[in-house]
Amino acid sequence: GQQVMQIPQYQHVQEGEDFTTYCNSSTTLSNIQWYKQRPGGHPVFLIQLVKSGEVKKQKRLTFQFGEAKKNSSLHITATQTTDVGTYFCAVVSGYALNFGKGTSLLVTP
Amino acid sequence: NAGVTQTPKFQVLKTGQSMTLQCAQDMNHNSMYWYRQDPGMGLRLIYYSASEGTTDKGEVPNGYNVSRLNKREFSLRLESAAPSQTSVYFCASSPSTDTQYFGPGTRLTVL
Repeated sequence: GQQVMQIPQYQHVQEGEDFTTYCNSSTTLSNIQWYKQRPGGHPVFLIQLVKSGEVKKQKRLTFQFGEAKKNSSLHITATQTTDVGTYFCAVVSGYALNFGKGTSLLVTP
Repeated sequence: NAGVTQTPKFQVLKTGQSMTLQCAQDMNHNSMYWYRQDPGMGLRLIYYSASEGTTDKGEVPNGYNVSRLNKREFSLRLESAAPSQTSVYFCASSPSTDTQYFGPGTRLTVL
């Protein structure tokens, strides 16, 4: 099935700084999903991207799907302490999803 | 509408003991999944059930068995627990190969 590499593994920012996590594949993806997991919590679906070059926004979060559909990014503008958690990308593999290893974001006030 | 529920929330086992993790969803979803999450390893698929009556192995099935009891329930059994199975276990459900909805997780320690 399709696999994805996610970078960086960890990111520590000061509150108000921007944050970006990247998801890369060696093969063309049909779509890509993003999830957020708060510390001690469970993954929660954020968004799905399907179209080449697609850009979607949710308040301070901007999601992009590459033109070649081989990479995706999640950008957070002006981070807040509520953004703390691990962000995962995931791609369809048969009837299931393959998750990236995630990027853990720590925000210092 | 509770979504996905899992029991128990926490469990401590001794090596060799058996247990079953329960999962239920009330969203009428066809597909259900079991994942384990270990530090630095992300979410790894243990087993999944694309529809009632079917189950398939995921990435890390060894040491586990599953039962799709009905459309609502999907259980995960450890027949002889090992310390390597210490992990956080998440159940998830999905209408198809779409958005997955996760339960709160079971934190399992095997001594």
